[in-house]
Amino acid sequence: GAVVSQHPSRVICKSGTSVKIECRSLDFQATTMFWYRQFPKKSLMLMATSNEGSKATYEQGVEKDKFLINHASLTLSTLTVTSAHPEDSSFYICSAVPNYGYTFGSGTRLTVV
Amino acid sequence: DAKTTQPPSMDCAEGRAANLPCNHSTISGNEYVYWYRQIHSQGPQYIIHGLKNNETNEMASLIITEDRKSSTLILPHATLRDTAVYYCIVKPSGANSKLTFGKGITLSVRP
Repeated sequence: GAVVSQHPSRVICKSGTSVKIECRSLDFQATTMFWYRQFPKKSLMLMATSNEGSKATYEQGVEKDKFLINHASLTLSTLTVTSAHPEDSSFYICSAVPNYGYTFGSGTRLTVV
Repeated sequence: DAKTTQPPSMDCAEGRAANLPCNHSTISGNEYVYWYRQIHSQGPQYIIHGLKNNETNEMASLIITEDRKSSTLILPHATLRDTAVYYCIVKPSGANSKLTFGKGITLSVRP
């Protein structure tokens, strides 16, 4: 079945540094990928839609200069959290669309200290 | 986008059927109903989806009412590993349209 690989699964970084999260579609091509954020005991909140070869579309209230998205190939999208702060600590999840359904990565737990 | 309403939680005994309800009264004719579940600290897992007919796969059955305003996900023989948050989502038309998650229903399967 379709697999989306997300890396790293966990990362701890210092305040003010940047962190890059990768999302790969392993056995299919994805022109569109989605990035979500999930705070403890809350639902997934869509942050942005990543489009291969073009700019990402951000949801209202999401800072595009803080959450940089690059979708340079049909199998890879990256989310960079720039100048991270403790309030950016969260569970980040990506998703892509194979022939059916939406497949999600296993998530990245980001802790900013 | 059509919204969904689910009870916040429910439980069932291991080995029994779990019937998870969902209301989507504003669903449009070309919108699908999707079900996902999320086990703690993992990404959501696809379960099943349907348009108007009932659907069944190796994981579950999906029963959609004739007016399409509600649906029920059925796990025929719940196990402890089925304990998770289950999300009922109405997917807008379009191949790559975005999925909007509600609060979901927390299913607890007890021994």
